Amino acid sequence: DIQMTQSPSSLSASVGDRVTITCQASQDISNYLNWYQQKPGKAPKLLIYDASNLETGVPSRFSGSGSGTDFTFTISSLQPEDIATYYCQQYDNLHGGTFGQGTKLEIK
Amino acid sequence: EVQLVQSGAEVKKPGESLKISCKGSGYSFTSYWIGWVRQMPGKGLEWMGIIYPGDSDTRYSPSFQGQVTISADKSISTAYLQWSSLKASDTAMYYCARNGNWLGYFQHWGQGTLVTVSS
Repeated sequence: DIQMTQSPSSLSASVGDRVTITCQASQDISNYLNWYQQKPGKAPKLLIYDASNLETGVPSRFSGSGSGTDFTFTISSLQPEDIATYYCQQYDNLHGGTFGQGTKLEIK
Repeated sequence: EVQLVQSGAEVKKPGESLKISCKGSGYSFTSYWIGWVRQMPGKGLEWMGIIYPGDSDTRYSPSFQGQVTISADKSISTAYLQWSSLKASDTAMYYCARNGNWLGYFQHWGQGTLVTVSS
């Protein structure tokens, strides 16, 4: 199986801060890495697919980068409505999909 | 508008069987994959498996292979997640989701079905 190591597991930041979350794959996954946002009591929401593509309707302060084994998710200027848990997710044809452990983002 | 509407919450006893559903609308049901994701109470997301209703091609995570069955009835645009014998550890929220341009990511999500297994 491909393991996804996401860090940090929790993060406290101030409104306006730049926030970065990383995800590392246990083997090369090319750019097959996606990012989701989940607010309490809600279904997850796709933000970034294929490492760097912004889903339609998602604010441009969200971005993703990386390829191979190392990926980064960034919020350029944290807004109060961004408080949520964020997950990375990869897919490979042999083992299916895997989510990272999640990063809980809080306002400082 | 793409919509995935899941069946309602269930309370079951250990050993019972269960089939929950996910009805797709607003798109060609047979042209996209539908997957299932588990979220145990207070925990993260787990990718369970995915099905292509067009030809019933189904792929499971190794962690869920043999534990659940994923199926679809394209005549009524509905996907299913099924257990033959529930355990207390199956207590969780289950989400269905539809892929985007390829089966590697989930673009649209259902509202979730809470399954509680308790004696």
